[in-house]
Amino acid sequence: EDQVTQSPEALRLQEGESSSLNCSYTVSGLRGLFWYRQDPGKGPEFLFTLYSAGEEKEKERLKATLTKKESFLHITAPKPEDSATYLCAGIPSGSARQLTFGSGTQLTVLP
Amino acid sequence: EAGVTQFPSHSVIEKGQTVTLRCDPISGHDNLYWYRRVMGKEIKFLLHFVKESKQDESGMPNNRFLAERTGGTYSTLKVQPAELEDSGVYFCASSAGPLPYEQYFGPGTRLTVT
Repeated sequence: EDQVTQSPEALRLQEGESSSLNCSYTVSGLRGLFWYRQDPGKGPEFLFTLYSAGEEKEKERLKATLTKKESFLHITAPKPEDSATYLCAGIPSGSARQLTFGSGTQLTVLP
Repeated sequence: EAGVTQFPSHSVIEKGQTVTLRCDPISGHDNLYWYRRVMGKEIKFLLHFVKESKQDESGMPNNRFLAERTGGTYSTLKVQPAELEDSGVYFCASSAGPLPYEQYFGPGTRLTVT
């Protein structure tokens, strides 16, 4: 069964303290992976799509990387406004048309 | 450009009643998806429309759920009759094409069945 696992479940950082979030997957024949940010009471906000191992994408303080088995979301010098739940979702291969989501990492950045 | 919109934002109904959720996708997006998150669980796929046609409804939990997309524009998701386990947040997403095109999500409808 396709599965996406995110760790840690929750992470508290001091402002400026860099760290990484992990997304590992057993989605068969993964065609790619999405990263989303979700604020309380809102829908997931698209951040990145990664399609192949070795690919990297950056946006402001965020950098997403992809290997054959996992993806990392690196947060450099985070600010309190980066506090949110970060979700990853796998894109299966073949004819599957649905995303497989992880349960998310709840990030809190303290001032 | 307007994003995906959903109505209502919150609905509280009693067990056995009917509720209809509405989603308006981004203009020009033929692909529309419904997902839901029940308490403590990850977001799960329900179904996928391309224009007015259902492409994949493998995630629909049972026949109490009925989704429609008349004219290939907005979509509705009806739950009839609602059960306690239907409580959760229902998200709609749209995309310009099928996977791996990125999907843009609406704010969700929080459904509470009492």
